Amino acid sequence: DTGVSQDPRHKITKRGQNVTFRCDPISEHNRLYWYRQTLGQGPEFLTYFQNEAQLEKSRLLSDRFSAERPKGSFSTLEIQRTEQGDSAMYLCASSLYSLGSGGPEGLAQYFGPGTRLLVL
Amino acid sequence: AQKITQTQPGMFVQEKEAVTLDCTYDTSDPSYGLFWYKQPSSGEMIFLIYQGSYDQQNATEGRYSLNFQKARKSANLVISASQLGDSAMYFCAMREPYTGTASKLTFGTGTRLQVTL
Repeated sequence: DTGVSQDPRHKITKRGQNVTFRCDPISEHNRLYWYRQTLGQGPEFLTYFQNEAQLEKSRLLSDRFSAERPKGSFSTLEIQRTEQGDSAMYLCASSLYSLGSGGPEGLAQYFGPGTRLLVL
Repeated sequence: AQKITQTQPGMFVQEKEAVTLDCTYDTSDPSYGLFWYKQPSSGEMIFLIYQGSYDQQNATEGRYSLNFQKARKSANLVISASQLGDSAMYFCAMREPYTGTASKLTFGTGTRLQVTL
């Protein structure tokens, strides 16, 4: 049973460049989430998908950010025209949701190792 | 208003001792879920334990237990028999409501636990 994987693990880029991160969720999970974590803080929600549909986006997700999950499996998060303030850890998580699901098995989100972005 | 408050930036505990990490939360929704995650220095968030707002009993999972006091809006994590490998950041998180389409977790700022010999 493989967990959530993210690629790359580290990314250094210059301000103004575009970057793209990939997340592969646990295979049977239908929900996929993106969070951002800055130093000394807890993760902050960015967006999430159920299958291929993007169901919620945070106000943190400016128009420079776009996320996709075209076939309901892996997801990509793209940041255009990066700024130094985008430097953070980008975490992906997945969960299995079904109607009436309750308890930790249905509600817990399982996280990947994250992509650490540094914008110079 | 902050929804999840973790007032202990750092905690020390001796190996084999028990430790309590504090978490208070704020919500007006009667239906919510509370989670604890562990984040080692490698960065991955590891799910530890879950408590639903309607659960009658406190959640337990191995050496982890959750001291859930609904009236006080607190959900403290208790780690028994601490091990050196427990040294990490610990985050409390809330999901509201309990089920349905809303799905995001709101995290606190975390507590760094250091287990000493």
